[in-house]
Amino acid sequence: EPEVTQTPSHQVTQMGQEVILRCVPISNHLYFYWYRQILGQKVEFLVSFYNNEISEKSEIFDDQFSVERPDGSNFTLKIRSTKLEDSAMYFCASSWNLPGSGTEAFFGQGTRLTVV
Amino acid sequence: TQLLEQSPQFLSIQEGENLTVYCNSSSVFSSLQWYRQEPGEGPVLLVTVVTGGEVKKLKRLTFQFGDARKDSSLHITAAQPGDTGLYLCAGGKGAQKLVFGQGTRLTINP
Repeated sequence: EPEVTQTPSHQVTQMGQEVILRCVPISNHLYFYWYRQILGQKVEFLVSFYNNEISEKSEIFDDQFSVERPDGSNFTLKIRSTKLEDSAMYFCASSWNLPGSGTEAFFGQGTRLTVV
Repeated sequence: TQLLEQSPQFLSIQEGENLTVYCNSSSVFSSLQWYRQEPGEGPVLLVTVVTGGEVKKLKRLTFQFGDARKDSSLHITAAQPGDTGLYLCAGGKGAQKLVFGQGTRLTINP
């Protein structure tokens, strides 16, 4: 069964360092997303990406964040200068169509980012 | 702001009992998805409901979307220890994003 894969599973970084989280969405999907979940809190939307550009982003997704689809398969989230409060599980997701239309969004296993 | 409130937040019952958990909002959603999440893992999709009043069954799990598409419920019949986990509802509104509830943490005791 096709699945969304994320690497690494766990990333530890020093405050102020740049990190890149990587995702390989399901191959025929067109919409790609990043969500995050701070320990014990809700899953929160960060950004959606369609047709090689950001289509929607949340207030969390400030200038320190960027996304890229460098080739036909990978989808990355970059945090330029990490802060302690960026520590969270980051989930990549993909869907064939808009989730609000009833299309399922499939999530990866997540990358646990720990900023020290 | 679209909010989804799930209740109860925690539920612990004995194996074999039935249970219902709820997902409520003051906003209308065009679809609602239920996920199950294990510790340290990503949400795994269980079902999507789209039509007001829609009922979907997945073995012992029954999902219902409210007539006004503002609420949903998940009913589990004869709960088993394998049903233990965090159940999340997430609403879509034709927009790009899903809005998640805070989850119901379910524990089924043998």
